[in-house]
Amino acid sequence: SQQGEEDPQALSIQEGENATMNCSYKTSINNLQWYRQNSGRGLVHLILIRSNEREKHSGRLRVTLDTSKKSSSLLITASRAADTASYFCATLREDSSYKLIFGSGTRLLVRP
Amino acid sequence: SQTIHQWPATLVQPVGSPLSLECTVEGTSNPNLYWYRQAAGRGLQLLFYSVGIGQISSEVPQNLSASRPQDRQFILSSKKLLLSDSGFYLCAWTGPRAKKLFFGSGTQLSVL
Repeated sequence: SQQGEEDPQALSIQEGENATMNCSYKTSINNLQWYRQNSGRGLVHLILIRSNEREKHSGRLRVTLDTSKKSSSLLITASRAADTASYFCATLREDSSYKLIFGSGTRLLVRP
Repeated sequence: SQTIHQWPATLVQPVGSPLSLECTVEGTSNPNLYWYRQAAGRGLQLLFYSVGIGQISSEVPQNLSASRPQDRQFILSSKKLLLSDSGFYLCAWTGPRAKKLFFGSGTQLSVL
């Protein structure tokens, strides 16, 4: 079963705008990760946030984690057409060191 | 540096035929290895993972099996393919504690 569920399922914005994607999960976790996938390709790791962290930044990416609500958000600031891709959250459950479970993803379209 | 190789990139197979997809990792030892499947426009479903040679954990009962004959080799197999086996198959590896998954480029399997 899916551990993470992203919303929205699809998002279309203008270049330069910010994009926010959300992820909800069901069980206690060790960490939560965000990945990016260009169409027909493998996934690329973007950022990891541990369960004891609340916010993390990497370049134009900002990730927040609210363990009380079992939710996370990914913010991409000043979006570019090259950011067009699908974005997935993945969770490592607290009772596992190995199983990374992915959500259904958000398809982001950045219009030039 | 570490690299992951997955082949073939695309595969068209008739129903009832066997399947063998291979994945190899270079530049690391004792990786955790994973097979995921992705239906068109959907999230990733964890099929199998392995923490060592000959150690396979299956996540979903199905028509597929996995084997790890060598430390850095992971094989996905089927004796008789079904139409429902069609999808995008992704191999991935991670080091201890699943901090970051590295994905192969994927195999698009069409069962006709």
